[in-house]
Parts: sequence; structure tokens; C-alpha cells
Amino acid sequence: QTVVTQEPSLTVSPGGTVTLTCASSTGAVTSGYYPNWFQQKPGQAPRALIYSTSNKHSWTPARFSGSLLGGKAALTLSGVQPEDEAEYYCLLYYGGAWVFGGGTKLAVL
Amino acid sequence: QVQLVQSGSELKKPGASVKIACKASGYSFTNYGVNWVRQAPGQGLEWMGWINANTGNPTYAQGFTGRFVFSLDTSVSTAYLLISSLKAEDTAVYYCARVAGTYSVDPWGQGTLVTVSS
Repeated sequence: QTVVTQEPSLTVSPGGTVTLTCASSTGAVTSGYYPNWFQQKPGQAPRALIYSTSNKHSWTPARFSGSLLGGKAALTLSGVQPEDEAEYYCLLYYGGAWVFGGGTKLAVL
Repeated sequence: QVQLVQSGSELKKPGASVKIACKASGYSFTNYGVNWVRQAPGQGLEWMGWINANTGNPTYAQGFTGRFVFSLDTSVSTAYLLISSLKAEDTAVYYCARVAGTYSVDPWGQGTLVTVSS
């Protein structure tokens, strides 16, 4: 069974930069996995931030960016705001099936 | 605007069935797919599978075969998730989300809470 791994938790200071990663048990993540990134706050539905590795939605704040880094998908937040405190999930495509990562709880302190 | 609106919360007894609706608006329903995602209380997101709204062909993730059925009514731009023989461990919020050819998974429905309790 395919496992997608994210950091369970990260902490960043307001105004700082943090990178969340998303690894696949099958090997290096490439653009062919079409990584998606979502933000979820308590009691809310997930909100899409990034699709196909690095493409932003029209509502995605400029401080969020997606990339491939060291064989993983990555989500970088630059100039973190207090409202960025949330759970972040990646989603990878495996030729007909999708698998979510376990999520990263981002604390802004 | 493009949106998915799901049916309301459900309280069911073990062994019963539940059918969740996901109504799409603002786009051509049959040009996209619909993902179904489960989130158990305090847990992460779990991909259940998807249905191609053009062909009606469903794909189920491991662990979601047998008791879970995806269906469509394209005349009302609505996707459905039927869960039968409900168990306590089916208690969760269920989300639908549009899948595009660009491999974008968005937008999401607001979620439907299903509680299974005797």
C-alpha cells in the first residue's frame, strides 16, 4: 500500500519562511504525481492552494508556492501570517488513484 | 460561481444505509470527475475514490469496496455516495470535490457529517 508522508507538525514565527514536504513510499515525487496542496482549518472544509506541483488558484495568496525539492513535493510559505496556522495536506496522483499525506499541523508562534 | 453543495448531516443506526448528495453548479458537470474523501473525527483526509461524470465509471480506493457506491444523476448535476451496512467506524465527515483534467482537485463541498450510533 502506497504511503504519502508529511511532517506531522512544524512551527514558524510570524514573517518567517517554512517549507512543508510530501514524500512517496514509491520513490521520488515527480510532476507526474500532480501534487495538490490543501489548507484546512478546524471545522472547515479543505481549501485548495496548489495543483499540479506549482500552479496556484486565483485565490491562493502569493506567499504560498509549490515545487519539487529533493525528490519530494514541497509547499513553501514565505512571510507567514498568523492566519496561516492550519493543517496542510498534500495529495498525489498514482495513475487513476489519489493518496493523501497524513497532514502537517503548522503552528505560527 | 463554481461550487459543490452537499446534503445535510445524518444520524443513522448501525446496519442502516445513507446516501449523500453533492450538487454541482457553475460548470459543465459531465466535463469533470468527482472525488469522494472521508475524514474521521480528529483524523486526516482519506481518498475514497472518484467517479467520472462523463462516463459514470467509478473507481474505489482500497478499503472502500463493497459497501460504498458512487453514482450520478447528470440531469440535476449531482453525484451521490451510498454507504450501506453502516458501522460505528463510518462516523466521519464526507466530502466531495471536483477533479479537473488539469489534475486540480477543487472546489470542495462543505462536507456531510454522518454519525452512526445506536
